[in-house]
Amino acid sequence: NAGVTQTPKFQVLKTGQSMTLQCAQDMNHNSMYWYRQDPGMGLRLIYYSASEGTTDKGEVPNGYNVSRLNKREFSLRLESAAPSQTSVYFCASGHSSYNEQFFGPGTRLTVL
Amino acid sequence: AQSVTQLDSQVPVFEEAPVELRCNYSSSVSVYLFWYVQYPNQGLQLLLKYLSGSTLVKGINGFEAEFNKSQTSFHLRKPSVHISDTAEYFCAVSDMNSGGYQKVTFGIGTKLQVIP
Repeated sequence: NAGVTQTPKFQVLKTGQSMTLQCAQDMNHNSMYWYRQDPGMGLRLIYYSASEGTTDKGEVPNGYNVSRLNKREFSLRLESAAPSQTSVYFCASGHSSYNEQFFGPGTRLTVL
Repeated sequence: AQSVTQLDSQVPVFEEAPVELRCNYSSSVSVYLFWYVQYPNQGLQLLLKYLSGSTLVKGINGFEAEFNKSQTSFHLRKPSVHISDTAEYFCAVSDMNSGGYQKVTFGIGTKLQVIP
């Protein structure tokens, strides 16, 4: 089992460029999540998907869109990147009932 | 609404000394509680969790935590730390609400620095 995988590991963008962060899990989890991690702010939820076919906004959704492509895959898109989106992005998946989450290795994104 | 407070942003401790990382939460309903660890340049991984039953929970790498409902706390402890325990530790809380999705709130993290 690979667990939760994320691509790319690192990315540098210029302001206004777009990109999609990919996430896949092989644990047959219903729920998937996208977080951003910034120094001194912990983890903040961007979007989540409680089950295949549904997505909902988290705490900080502005500037992002998501797609739950199937049960395994959950992508995060930045349509027009801004320097404020410089962060480390984590994808996670989990069982709905107990909500223990399994995290990917992260994507370090820098927006210049 | 639920919230998590990790009182210490950084905790330095000498190798083989005991450590306690503090976590307090607030919630209007019963909760599940978690501690995660993040090693440098990695994702978070679960250390231990409290779902129900015994209030003393044992996790991986010799860590344990005690759920105290009256004090709304879930402090993490280890009797003797090792250099390899240097990492950032996150406390998290999830409401036991009904429904398919239960929101998880993370604390801002405590950096444990083990000094040789």
